[in-house]
Amino acid sequence: EAQVTQNPRYLITVTGKKLTVTCSQNMNHEYMSWYRQDPGLGLRQIYYSMNVEVTDKGDVPEGYKVSRKEKRNFPLILESPSPNQTSLYFCASSLGSGQGYNEQFFGPGTRLTVL
Amino acid sequence: TQLLEQSPQFLSIQEGENLTVYCNSSSVFSSLQWYRQEPGEGPVLLVTVVTGGEVKKLKRLTFQFGDARKDSSLHITAAQPGDTGLYLCAGPNNAGNNRKLIWGLGTSLAVNP
Repeated sequence: EAQVTQNPRYLITVTGKKLTVTCSQNMNHEYMSWYRQDPGLGLRQIYYSMNVEVTDKGDVPEGYKVSRKEKRNFPLILESPSPNQTSLYFCASSLGSGQGYNEQFFGPGTRLTVL
Repeated sequence: TQLLEQSPQFLSIQEGENLTVYCNSSSVFSSLQWYRQEPGEGPVLLVTVVTGGEVKKLKRLTFQFGDARKDSSLHITAAQPGDTGLYLCAGPNNAGNNRKLIWGLGTSLAVNP
């Protein structure tokens, strides 16, 4: 089954404790991205990756890191989480860089709470 | 700056009613996509509209792209509880960077039995 998986689905942590949210897709997609979704602010892109070893900042990259060492995986790293990073996070992938035409496949989401 | 404004923000209707939600911009988009996000899940693509004036139908859902490609609408006929969710529109950034989508804030639809 074609899918994007994220782990963990739920995470409660404390300020400053480094964490990683994993994302994996099995569709051989080149493009992957991370979003956060907050009430009243909608979906905001954090980082995206055009292919292996190619990443770039989205609209809200501060406080986050990503890596793309393999085509299928795109982990999101919070080196020192803060309460304002409490949010619902989605990983997404699509076939290529023509974003206007390519379907974005989303993972199920990770609900992160930083105390 | 390209923006997509969706209206209404919230909509609560009874099963069997018809409804229309809107996605508007002052900018021209080369295409627009509509996604539906059900509670606890990620958004799922419903349709992509590309040509100005285009109408696409997906069962009881009818999508229209404005002639000037600045707006789109989604009409649902005889809404059912299974239509409940957040409806999002998205379009490509046309400012020389086609790698990022611009998202509307969505219309949250509740269809009551």
